[in-house]
Amino acid sequence: SQQGEEDPQALSIQEGENATMNCSYKTSINNLQWYRQNSGRGLVHLILIRSNEREKHSGRLRVTLDTSKKSSSLLITASRAADTASYFCALGQAAGNKLTFGGGTRVLVKP
Amino acid sequence: DTAVSQTPKYLVTQMGNDKSIKCEQNLGHDTMYWYKQDSKKFLKIMFSYNNKELIINETVPNRFSPKSPDKAHLNLHINSLELGDSAVYFCASSYGTGMNNQPQHFGDGTRLSIL
Repeated sequence: SQQGEEDPQALSIQEGENATMNCSYKTSINNLQWYRQNSGRGLVHLILIRSNEREKHSGRLRVTLDTSKKSSSLLITASRAADTASYFCALGQAAGNKLTFGGGTRVLVKP
Repeated sequence: DTAVSQTPKYLVTQMGNDKSIKCEQNLGHDTMYWYKQDSKKFLKIMFSYNNKELIINETVPNRFSPKSPDKAHLNLHINSLELGDSAVYFCASSYGTGMNNQPQHFGDGTRLSIL
């Protein structure tokens, strides 16, 4: 498969807890991107991590990339009800000029 | 100010009809895209244009025809609509020459329902 596969497919946590989701892939990549999609809205770009980077932070978000294991993780710390959304990883493959998206992780943060 | 706007937001129509979806971006981006998101939320690239030129054309039925009158607009025309065309269609844009190393900015989608 040329797309990333997110795990878990769904995640339910209490407000204040951390949420971790993973993305595994099989191809060679130039970069990996994470996006958020709120219900009924378009995707919003969160973080881009390049293949020579191991970790990036943005506010309460932390992304790691392990190219030897072909996997990435997205950690949301101190989650809020507003973090309820679907989260997608997208692969910028080394061959080709498109992003390929996985099926997403649906995160529910309960107040 | 809406960065990537697409119209209409909802489109309900009969099988066999022809319809168009419009997209405009005011971000000054060079590249625009059309994606299809199915009921299981998988997002698939359909087309990509860079400065009005087609650069990505995935395996899409030729009933789908994109048109880019200028680099700020990318419209999608669909002929002879079929039940399987029911989905949410997203327009997106990015800087650069269509390579995959730039963040993409998405519109809020057009929900197409075929009766």
